[in-house]
Amino acid sequence: SAVISQKPSRDICQRGTSLTIQCQVDSQVTMMFWYRQQPGQSLTLIATANQGSEATYESGFVIDKFPISRPNLTFSTLTVSNMSPEDSSIYLCSVEGDRETTTGELFFGEGSRLTVL
Amino acid sequence: RKEVEQDPGPFNVPEGATVAFNCTYSNSASQSFFWYRQDCRKEPKLLMSVYSSGNEDGRFTAQLNRASQYISLLIRDSKLSDSATYLCVVTSGGTYKYIFGTGTRLKVLA
Repeated sequence: SAVISQKPSRDICQRGTSLTIQCQVDSQVTMMFWYRQQPGQSLTLIATANQGSEATYESGFVIDKFPISRPNLTFSTLTVSNMSPEDSSIYLCSVEGDRETTTGELFFGEGSRLTVL
Repeated sequence: RKEVEQDPGPFNVPEGATVAFNCTYSNSASQSFFWYRQDCRKEPKLLMSVYSSGNEDGRFTAQLNRASQYISLLIRDSKLSDSATYLCVVTSGGTYKYIFGTGTRLKVLA
């Protein structure tokens, strides 16, 4: 399994500001995933972050709004830019388990709960 | 049509009851299937993977029907601690993408 640390765990932000969420994994992983879970909803994939290349964004998500960094194989950041109340959500960092030792399931950080006023 | 569909519930059942959830998926090329459990204000955690032959883990049984493209989860002898949201997860065929269903809420009542 993978141990994933995310911070901040929660924050309350003002409209128009930006917040950067950090994700640290206890082992080297090729891909890191960023998900969003809006209130009462399921998880939606924002983007996949690979080390050494630009992140791959899903439909409806753009780099200008959600810039991602992946400086090494154990760390990534997601920035939520120019926030509006609609960005209030839980943001989750995730990695896939080693397919040789697990069934390839996803492991999640504890999430960052963002409230935008 | 959503790629992964679940009945959102809530399912309210008494302790000791047996409850079953179904999940349907649209991509016939999907290769891996999972049930996750998510407690309120917590991150999702793997409950069990789902194999073609079906698999059981204590009170939990998962089944996969590829022909009909659905997955099921059966919980026997429900406990209060089983109260949670159960998420059906399917990997998109040929890619690394994990697609989450909207989840089914279960509440086990004393």
